[in-house]
Amino acid sequence: GAVVSQHPSRVICKSGTSVKIECRSLDFQATTMFWYRQFPKQSLMLMATSNEGSKATYEQGVEKDKFLINHASLTLSTLTVTSAHPEDSSFYICSAIFLPKGQGRGGYTFGSGTRLTVV
Amino acid sequence: AQSVTQPDIHITVSEGASLELRCNYSYGATPYLFWYVQSPGQGLQLLLKYFSGDTLVQGIKGFEAEFKRSQSSFNLRKPSVHWSDAAEYFCAVGNNAGNMLTFGGGTRLMVKP
Repeated sequence: GAVVSQHPSRVICKSGTSVKIECRSLDFQATTMFWYRQFPKQSLMLMATSNEGSKATYEQGVEKDKFLINHASLTLSTLTVTSAHPEDSSFYICSAIFLPKGQGRGGYTFGSGTRLTVV
Repeated sequence: AQSVTQPDIHITVSEGASLELRCNYSYGATPYLFWYVQSPGQGLQLLLKYFSGDTLVQGIKGFEAEFKRSQSSFNLRKPSVHWSDAAEYFCAVGNNAGNMLTFGGGTRLMVKP
């Protein structure tokens, strides 16, 4: 259980175009999702936190007008990279908190990531 | 602010040898601690987590980790490494509101035949 499906896994786009990345929680409701960015051979850096039905909270240095996040339902959050440039090429990963049914704590589950290449 | 340090960027071990990956954290209260593994071009898979209770935590794939509050550490161990364990390993700490993770820089594990 607690699976997050992320699509697409790879995308190549031309500079100046926009790309949408989707994350869906398949078997649980994700009121909060997180978007991370990972440069080659580096760790994950949190970009923003999205909450269902409200505006996303962006980390310092992340341009909210460039990285549009929409969390319109309890099972879907999207990240749109607008007017993409080569420096936006990166690995983007979403994550969601899941709470178990019954006793015990939940945790964080991650999507499989999206490799964005802007040419 | 919470932070996580993984002192070893790269580690190479022989197949069958034991493994210990170090993780030190900084957090003001009781931390929620995680170890994730990432294969090239893939997302993250949770190996194990610690919230409370027994400080020795068992995870998947034969991994375990021990929470040592006095040392602010949460080191990952495996008694016998397999070639398929070669990957990037990330330690992470979550805040007590359960709504954010801070990752360490990662340790790349290579396994020699």
